[in-house]
Amino acid sequence: DAGITQSPRHKVTETGTPVTLRCHQTENHRYMYWYRQDPGHGLRLIHYSYGVKDTDKGEVSDGYSVSRSKTEDFLLTLESATSSQTSVYFCAIRPTGGRTGELFFGEGSRLTVL
Amino acid sequence: AQTVTQSQPEMSVQEAETVTLSCTYDTSESDYYLFWYKQPPSRQMILVIRQEAYKQQNATENRFSVNFQKAAKSFSLKISDSQLGDAAMYFCAYRRPSQGGSEKLVFGKGTKLTVNP
Repeated sequence: DAGITQSPRHKVTETGTPVTLRCHQTENHRYMYWYRQDPGHGLRLIHYSYGVKDTDKGEVSDGYSVSRSKTEDFLLTLESATSSQTSVYFCAIRPTGGRTGELFFGEGSRLTVL
Repeated sequence: AQTVTQSQPEMSVQEAETVTLSCTYDTSESDYYLFWYKQPPSRQMILVIRQEAYKQQNATENRFSVNFQKAAKSFSLKISDSQLGDAAMYFCAYRRPSQGGSEKLVFGKGTKLTVNP
């Protein structure tokens, strides 16, 4: 158990509404990531963070923003949700000090945009 | 940019038999890390096995082993004595060596494994 909690686990919203997904970790890891998973695409990186207030874009960052004001929380915001953002969103952490850099994932948040 | 290719969208195996899932990747690096993740119907992503490119010996974790062919840029996963609980999506992933600590995992599109009783 990597101590990662995502909320909400399921959400249905309408096009044009803002949505925020939260990732909370209990072990003070420096690196946190947001991926989305879609059929036929595997997991694609949206944004990642390498410390408080230090974030950077991944390969599919358009339409998403992130914030990290505390080590334990990494927020993903869809300012104006679109149907193309219907997906399963995974938060992940990379344990500090590990050589190989594997990620450990939360349980995912399924978002449906109508 | 690094890419990871899983050429088998779906595979099936009989319980107790052996199955091999394929993965190839594209990189110009000489040192890197490779992973296989399992995603059962619960949706949880579970790390199955890892391989460091500088190690010639293939990684093994119980019934799971890899065939790492560095020159061919191939990283296949072998599951021996398949069990019903092995049924899942399997993702291959690649990571470059750290450069400032922000290196990311790049994933393949996945292979869905069905285990038949």
